[in-house]
Amino acid sequence: DAKTTQPTSMDCAEGRAANLPCNHSTISGNEYVYWYRQIHSQGPQYIIHGLKNNETNEMASLIITEDRKSSTLILPHATLRDTAVYYCIVRVEGSGGSNYKLTFGKGTLLTVNP
Amino acid sequence: NAGVTQTPKFQVLKTGQSMTLQCAQDMNHEYMSWYRQDPGMGLRLIHYSVGAGITDQGEVPNGYNVSRSTTEDFPLRLLSAAPSQTSVYFCASRQITGEKLFFGSGTQLSVL
Repeated sequence: DAKTTQPTSMDCAEGRAANLPCNHSTISGNEYVYWYRQIHSQGPQYIIHGLKNNETNEMASLIITEDRKSSTLILPHATLRDTAVYYCIVRVEGSGGSNYKLTFGKGTLLTVNP
Repeated sequence: NAGVTQTPKFQVLKTGQSMTLQCAQDMNHEYMSWYRQDPGMGLRLIHYSVGAGITDQGEVPNGYNVSRSTTEDFPLRLLSAAPSQTSVYFCASRQITGEKLFFGSGTQLSVL
């Protein structure tokens, strides 16, 4: 599986966009990029995922570069409740898709400041 | 739906004691898994299951046993607890071809 590299921590002002980068330079053509977040003492929460195209949902946007070697998670209007550890994960689409496993690294601690 | 429910939330054990961490989900998910999280670390996969009667090891299975007799339940057993098993344990589930992994709220375990 491709490894990911994320900054250890980032700060963002409340109401501003938070842009969280992730490097996955060894990603293969069939590997998806996932983002999860973990608010203190809670279980991780799914945010978004993508393969090639940019994706947007009610929580965030995911921008994947054309060469797919990096991606950026965008929280358009960060709030204090978005303070969390954000995990960028690459997973392989295995045979049948049923046995894929997600490997969580250390992630990025995003602190949203008032 | 309650989602993924873990019990207990907190537990203190003495070295050598045994216990079972409970995990139940009401979403009819085929896939269930257990992770542990140590301070400053990411989550590491212990065991997983793709359906009743089917289990497999993750990256850190030693010291833990699992079984899956029903779709809803996936208990994690510590047969002889060790201080190295002090951690926060998370159970997670998803549909077998699903994209979203749903996590429980965790069990904080201390082994003295």
